[in-house]
Amino acid sequence: GENVEQHPSTLSVQEGDSAVIKCTYSDSASNYFPWYKQELGKRPQLIIDIRSNVGEKKDQRIAVTLNKTAKHFSLHITETQPEDSAVYFCAASRGREDDMRFGAGTRLTVKP
Amino acid sequence: NAGVTQTPKFQVLKTGQSMTLQCAQDMNHNSMYWYRQDPGMGLRLIYYSASEGTTDKGEVPNGYNVSRLNKREFSLRLESAAPSQTSVYFCASSQTRGLNTGELFFGEGSRLTVL
Repeated sequence: GENVEQHPSTLSVQEGDSAVIKCTYSDSASNYFPWYKQELGKRPQLIIDIRSNVGEKKDQRIAVTLNKTAKHFSLHITETQPEDSAVYFCAASRGREDDMRFGAGTRLTVKP
Repeated sequence: NAGVTQTPKFQVLKTGQSMTLQCAQDMNHNSMYWYRQDPGMGLRLIYYSASEGTTDKGEVPNGYNVSRLNKREFSLRLESAAPSQTSVYFCASSQTRGLNTGELFFGEGSRLTVL
């Protein structure tokens, strides 16, 4: 089955700096790669996703890049703000209900 | 719309006790899920229901049972709780289109402690 590894496990940046979180996956048939943000004590919420027919997707300060050959994808947050502080989870899936696998999470802290 | 609601938010059990976590969604989604979240391990799928009337095992089903009561409701039951089931449980739903699952909408979570 799919295995997703996520790095780093913790990341601390100064407000205004960029943050990058990287994930690798094992199943070459995976074609859907979402990112979820979970604030402390809250539910995970989707912030951006990408499908394997595109290499990059942007939404304001957030972007995701996908390298299918190397089987890795990354989340980029620019101009970080304190409200970006949260745990971020990557995931990979073939698109079926039972095969989405999550990374272990990255705790991002943005220092004012 | 309330989205996905689950109860209870907190529960403390003794080893061997049973309990049911309730979940309901008002988004008319076909698919519903139960995940557990443990420190350093991300979210792991316990059981899922691709449509009303069907349920299937996920990655970590042992010690759990589920019921898809109707399209809105999906419950998770622990028949004989064990300390290893101490975790935060999330219910989720999604609208599957064709072969592709969509965004997962999560409930607020239920923190379960088994002593």
